[in-house]
Order: sequence, then structure tokens, then C-alpha cells
Amino acid sequence: DQQVKQNSPSLSVQEGRISILNCDYTNSMFDYFLWYKKYPAEGPTFLISISSIKDKNEDGRFTVFLNKSAKHLSLHIVPSQPGDSAVYFCAASATGAGKSTFGDGTTLTVKP
Amino acid sequence: NAGVTQTPKFQVLKTGQSMTLQCAQDMNHEYMSWYRQDPGMGLRLIHYSVGAGITDQGEVPNGYNVSRSTTEDFPLRLLSAAPSQTSVYFCASSYELTDTQYFGPGTRLTVL
Repeated sequence: DQQVKQNSPSLSVQEGRISILNCDYTNSMFDYFLWYKKYPAEGPTFLISISSIKDKNEDGRFTVFLNKSAKHLSLHIVPSQPGDSAVYFCAASATGAGKSTFGDGTTLTVKP
Repeated sequence: NAGVTQTPKFQVLKTGQSMTLQCAQDMNHEYMSWYRQDPGMGLRLIHYSVGAGITDQGEVPNGYNVSRSTTEDFPLRLLSAAPSQTSVYFCASSYELTDTQYFGPGTRLTVL
């Protein structure tokens, strides 16, 4: 049973437009969510996070929205840039659980 | 700070051989983890450690051993390599297990 799902394996957008990456989870105990970005041949790097007590967190061009009732979160990138082309992983954790669970990732391609 | 370092970057093994993947961090993080990433899949937790001398199993621990004798180092041992262990291995560290994780560059392992 996959507890964190990223249902879109890939997404292609035009430079300057908005990119929206989605993530669904099933475990209602999850209370902390993170997005990581990964370039080829490199390790993932932290992008942005959100606690379950919030429904939005913003950092520059990146905004994460959390809908607890739907068990859904999304990452918005505005405006998208070619350098944003990477694999984006959603991760979730529960206080006291001791580990994070990752989705399978979405490959974002931003076309110039 | 070098962050999280992993050696080797690439390794080819024959079935049945053993080897150790090295991981070190210089951020004084208590928590360290090992993940594997297979094509088209997310990061799956193999083993993790909450401090020197303390380790625990993740989702996919079979065929792997770990130990944590110092805060800085967290080696992963493959006891008898199998083709199913062909993957990219990432080591990560963090202040808290559910906190932002800092990943190494990965080790690409092929078992023939």
C-alpha cells in the first residue's frame, strides 16, 4: 500500500507559466510534508515544507498548498524556469514515526 | 562543510560478492538514513539511525546491514549481492528524522 502517491509521472510546461505538481497521501497520521528536487546524477535537495497546522507555505516562486480533508498537497512554481526542470519528490512524515515516506516523483520539464 | 559524502560513486559487483558503501556527514546530525531508488520509483528507506550505536530497519532492510559507531559515519553493508540490489543508493542526514534531510550524491550499484 503506497501511502504517498504522485499520480503524474511527468509534466511539461512553457517557460513563464505555472507548474502545478500534485501529491496525495492516505495516512491521516502524517503531519509534516516536504518537497525535494532532484537533478540527474545528484542527490535530492530540500525545496519547501509545510506543517499540518498550515494550509499554505510560500518561498519565493514556490508555494505549497495542503488540503487535509482531501489528503492532498500541491506544489506551485510561478513563473516556471528552464532550470526548474528536474524530478520532484513529495515526502510525508508523522510525529514520532521516525521516518519519512516518499512518493515516486514527477519529472518536470520547462520548455524555453 | 562538505555536507554528506558517499563513496564510491559507481560500483559493479558479481552476484554473491560483498561490499560496503561509505557515508559520512560533517554537520553533527544525529539522524542518518540509507535509501535506494529504483527506476521510476521513489526513495525507499533501507535502514536508519537515531544516533551513534542505535540503528533500526526501514521498509526494505533484507540483504543489508548497518552500524553507527560514530556520529559522522554510517556505512551500509551488502552481505551477498544479488541482481535485485542493482539500484542507486542515497545516504541522508538530518537534525530530526522527520526534518529536512540532506542527501549525498548517491552510489550507483550494478550487480551482475
